Amino acid sequence: GAGVSQTPSNKVTEKGKYVELRCDPISGHTALYWYRQSLGQGPEFLIYFQGTGAADDSGLPNDRFFAVRPEGSVSTLKIQRTERGDSAVYLCASSLQLASDEQFFGPGTRLTVL
Amino acid sequence: QQQVKQSPQSLIVQKGGISIINCAYENTAFDYFPWYQQFPGKGPALLIAIRPDVSEKKEGRFTISFNKSAKQFSLHIMDSQPGDSATYFCAASKGFQKLVFGTGTRLLVSP
Repeated sequence: GAGVSQTPSNKVTEKGKYVELRCDPISGHTALYWYRQSLGQGPEFLIYFQGTGAADDSGLPNDRFFAVRPEGSVSTLKIQRTERGDSAVYLCASSLQLASDEQFFGPGTRLTVL
Repeated sequence: QQQVKQSPQSLIVQKGGISIINCAYENTAFDYFPWYQQFPGKGPALLIAIRPDVSEKKEGRFTISFNKSAKQFSLHIMDSQPGDSATYFCAASKGFQKLVFGTGTRLLVSP
């Protein structure tokens, strides 16, 4: 079956603009995670959802970042007033349920803020 | 605060050799320790994982060794192949939830 998909694969924007990044998890997976990977670093946790609700958003760096998952499937990560420091690869992962071990990652969205 | 420290940063191994990557963690509440493999332009993919109730787990050419008292775990890749050339990340979590990743090891297996 299809894996986790993320769109767009690349996004270039200007400082101060608003961006939305989309994640389509594996069908039937109830848990969804967002991570951010800066160049040469490991992924850093941002937020995860169980169903429609955010179970833990402690990794969001500030209030410019927000994520939703209104129907418990597709999720959107929203970044307001983008800054150059937001440039990174944003990874989405899903797992069958919150207590399930394997997180399946998507290919990521590379965000570049000029 | 870096909770998972990984070394080395890069590694070159000859084909057929053994690749060893080490990680150390600080949070004793962690109870799940996976290793991920990442190729350029791709997301990380789970390679092998271990729980702290065992000291070793082997899957094919990949082995995790786990030392709970030292708070360390390592990945051994036996008979390394050029196709194993990738970046490897160790990670840890409590209860299979948010993963805390190491900084990664770039492995190059020379033909």
